[in-house]
Amino acid sequence: GAVVSQHPSRVICKSGTSVKIECRSLDFQATTMFWYRQFPKQSLMLMATSNEGSKATYEQGVEKDKFLINHASLTLSTLTVTSAHPEDSSFYICSASGGGFVHNEQFFGPGTRLTVL
Amino acid sequence: AQSVSQHNHHVILSEAASLELGCNYSYGGTVNLFWYVQYPGQHLQLLLKYFSGDPLVKGIKGFEAEFIKSKFSFNLRKPSVQWSDTAEYFCAVKQYNTDKLIFGTGTRLQVFP
Repeated sequence: GAVVSQHPSRVICKSGTSVKIECRSLDFQATTMFWYRQFPKQSLMLMATSNEGSKATYEQGVEKDKFLINHASLTLSTLTVTSAHPEDSSFYICSASGGGFVHNEQFFGPGTRLTVL
Repeated sequence: AQSVSQHNHHVILSEAASLELGCNYSYGGTVNLFWYVQYPGQHLQLLLKYFSGDPLVKGIKGFEAEFIKSKFSFNLRKPSVQWSDTAEYFCAVKQYNTDKLIFGTGTRLQVFP
């Protein structure tokens, strides 16, 4: 399988500040990256899909002005949570697909735990 | 809208017991099916996947799953669980012509020695 990393693994911020989370595909070129949100003891909820060089496609109910996604290169996508509030506290997970892997299999990063005080 | 159901939310077993976790999906077209595992404090890992061919799929760590198209099901099985199998298990479905994965709500498995 392929390796996907996320940075930071954990971040604590004050309410009203912005936080940027990076997602990198380390050994393949990811034409598509996905951002998920996971609440405690719940499933992964897809937030948005981003293709390199294009605007992200957001799922219904996800505020695109609050969760800014940039996929500027084939190995890096960033999620910026703007003006974070306590309700944004969650576990954010990215995945990446592409690189010629069969059926566009998604490979998941280790996740970033965001805590907004 | 497409959905994935995992009916067992929390399963508690003793070591060596057999395991079967249910997964049903609602999409009627061609699908790709996945089971992922999330060990405590770790990231999501792929257990097994089905794309086509033999509906009985074997994965890592002794897990297997059977795709029954008529029942829209993809149940996960293991004949003898170990304490180290304690984790959260997620079923996921991808429509054939899309990239979007739809996850089930997950099943928490606890295995006691």
